[in-house]
Amino acid sequence: QFVLTQPNSVSTNLGSTVKLSCKRSTGNIGSNYVNWYQQHEGRSPTTMIYRDDKRPDGVPDRFSGSIDRSSNSALLTINNVQTEDEADYFCQSYSSGIIFGGGTKRTV
Amino acid sequence: QVQLQQSGAELVKPGSSVKISCKASGYTFTSYDMHWIKQQPGNGLEWIGWIYPGNGNTKYNQKFNGKATLTADKSSSTAYMQLSSLTSEDSAVYFCARVRLGNFDYWGQGVMVTVSS
Repeated sequence: QFVLTQPNSVSTNLGSTVKLSCKRSTGNIGSNYVNWYQQHEGRSPTTMIYRDDKRPDGVPDRFSGSIDRSSNSALLTINNVQTEDEADYFCQSYSSGIIFGGGTKRTV
Repeated sequence: QVQLQQSGAELVKPGSSVKISCKASGYTFTSYDMHWIKQQPGNGLEWIGWIYPGNGNTKYNQKFNGKATLTADKSSSTAYMQLSSLTSEDSAVYFCARVRLGNFDYWGQGVMVTVSS
């Protein structure tokens, strides 16, 4: 069973671009799909990216997902950061069960 | 529209059990896995297990074997999770969530369970 490691927090400025990382401890990051969830305080998570790079209907195209094989990580990129993007972000994959990263708190 | 409506907050005593519910609507309940996820205050998400309401098959995170029991009632489109032998470590928000296209596409609003004497 592998671990997904995310930075605890990241601070960005309005209008800037931020890349959130999710590093897989063992095995190939490309072996299993990675999903990304956004969670605002006191709310349920919502999907921002699924299957590595797919964006659900209604998610702004400022959000994109990718795989970086050189660092064995999944990346969530947020362009033109807005105040409403201030939230916690969790990556998730699966092995014999569902695995979540520890989450990154993003502050503007 | 798809909705997952969970039961209300629970205040329970150590050593007791609690059963929380997740009523599904807006889709065919028996066709999708229903998962349960734990979130302790200020912490991340922890997967508990899933149930396939179509046939009642379940799978658990080993950590929750003996702690959580998942069931589903097809007649009312409701999934249940029972937590037993509760301790303060079980105080958390518990979410149900549906899986589609390999991700949790719909979540319940969460149920806060507080274990306190």
